[in-house]
Amino acid sequence: GENVEQHPSTLSVQEGDSAVIKCTYSDSASNYFPWYKQELGKGPQLIIDIRSNVGEKKDQRIAVTLNKTAKHFSLHITETQPEDSAVYFCAAINQAGTALIFGKGTTLSVSS
Amino acid sequence: NAGVTQTPKFRVLKTGQSMTLLCAQDMNHEYMYWYRQDPGMGLRLIHYSVGEGTTAKGEVPDGYNVSRLKKQNFLLGLESAAPSQTSVYFCASTYNRGLGTEAFFGQGTRLTVV
Repeated sequence: GENVEQHPSTLSVQEGDSAVIKCTYSDSASNYFPWYKQELGKGPQLIIDIRSNVGEKKDQRIAVTLNKTAKHFSLHITETQPEDSAVYFCAAINQAGTALIFGKGTTLSVSS
Repeated sequence: NAGVTQTPKFRVLKTGQSMTLLCAQDMNHEYMYWYRQDPGMGLRLIHYSVGEGTTAKGEVPDGYNVSRLKKQNFLLGLESAAPSQTSVYFCASTYNRGLGTEAFFGQGTRLTVV
C-alpha cells in the first residue's frame, strides 16, 4: 500500500524565517497531496493541497511543490509567525483511492 | 453546523473492557474514517467506510470493529481493550472519494487503557 515518509520530525525556527517540510510517497499512481495543520488539542485541518497536474501552488505565506518523478512534495512557509507553531502532516491517497495515508508529522516551533 | 462530533472526549478503560466510540457528521458526507494518533507515529488509518452499510480495513485494523448503520454515524468498537490501544482517536469525513476532497476531523477522543 501507499507509504508516506515525512522529514524532519521537529523543526525550530525564529520568527520571520522560512520553514520547509518534505515528504516522499511510494505509490506512483497517487495524484493528490494535501497538508494538514494540527493545533494543540484539536483535530487536523487542511491548509493547502496539490494535484499531480501542477508543480506548485501558493496561498499567501504557504506554498507546496510537487516532483512526481522523484515522488516527493514539500511544504514551504515563509515569514513564519508564532501562530504557525503546530504539528504539520502531509498525506497521499491510498492505492484504492478511498482514504488518506498520513506521514508521521512535523512539530514546528516558531520562537519570537 | 457542528461538523464532525466525537463522543466521548476522554475515557479510561481497564484491560479487557469494551467500549464504543461514536462519530457523527452533519455534512451529508459519504466517506468516514477512524484514525489513531500516537507520539512519533502520526495518524494511522484503522477502518473506513465509503457509504452507509459498508466498511473496510485500513492500516491498523486489528482489535477494532466498526459499523456504519446510518450515513451520518460511524462507530468504532473495542471488544477487549488492551494497553496498546491507549491513543487519541480521530474521526474524519469527506464528501466524496478521498481523492481531492477536504477531510474534516473531529476533536478527538483520548483513550487510556490501564
